[in-house]
Amino acid sequence: AQSVTQPDIHITVSEGASLELRCNYSYGATPYLFWYVQSPGQGLQLLLKYFSGDTLVQGIKGFEAEFKRSQSSFNLRKPSVHWSDAAEYFCAVGAPSNTGKLIFGQGTTLQVKP
Amino acid sequence: GAGVSQSPSNKVTEKGKDVELRCDPISGHTALYWYRQRLGQGLEFLIYFQGNSAPDKSGLPSDRFSAERTGESVSTLTIQRTQQEDSAVYLCASSLGRLSTDTQYFGPGTRLTVL
Repeated sequence: AQSVTQPDIHITVSEGASLELRCNYSYGATPYLFWYVQSPGQGLQLLLKYFSGDTLVQGIKGFEAEFKRSQSSFNLRKPSVHWSDAAEYFCAVGAPSNTGKLIFGQGTTLQVKP
Repeated sequence: GAGVSQSPSNKVTEKGKDVELRCDPISGHTALYWYRQRLGQGLEFLIYFQGNSAPDKSGLPSDRFSAERTGESVSTLTIQRTQQEDSAVYLCASSLGRLSTDTQYFGPGTRLTVL
């Protein structure tokens, strides 16, 4: 069965510092991988997605993620965090199927210190 | 254009009552999903619609949960005889097609509190 693990429930970084949020997945083949952000009072917004090809994908708001098959990971990174990046981040996996169902991790809450 | 909308935004009900949650997808989106987000947890898939049929209901937790969709439009999630463990945020998402590669756009959710 597919599963997603986000090992860090809560992370605090200083504004301007770099950020890496971890995501590990369990799936028999190459999955489709997603990162979503949920800001307070707002719906989930897609940051980036990986289906195939270049393992380093660029997303919105200056985020990027790297797919590493050997480590079953899809970590999210940002070189310099802004206060507005404080939010909850979800990693999700989807199967190459015809339903589009997504399996989500438990989320990582990012706090940004001034 | 308009995004996915959900109503009500908040619902407080008493244990044992029935509730209906509504989702208006983005116009033209054929696929519609319901997810549940319990406090401090990730999203759990509930049900998927393609048009007005539901090929995947595997996430519905019990027969107290049901959902329907009118054509490629509004969907309603109904929870009968609500229990306290049903308290959660219920999120709806829609996508242009049914493929895993189609981006899902999420609504703001309905926060359900069962007293």
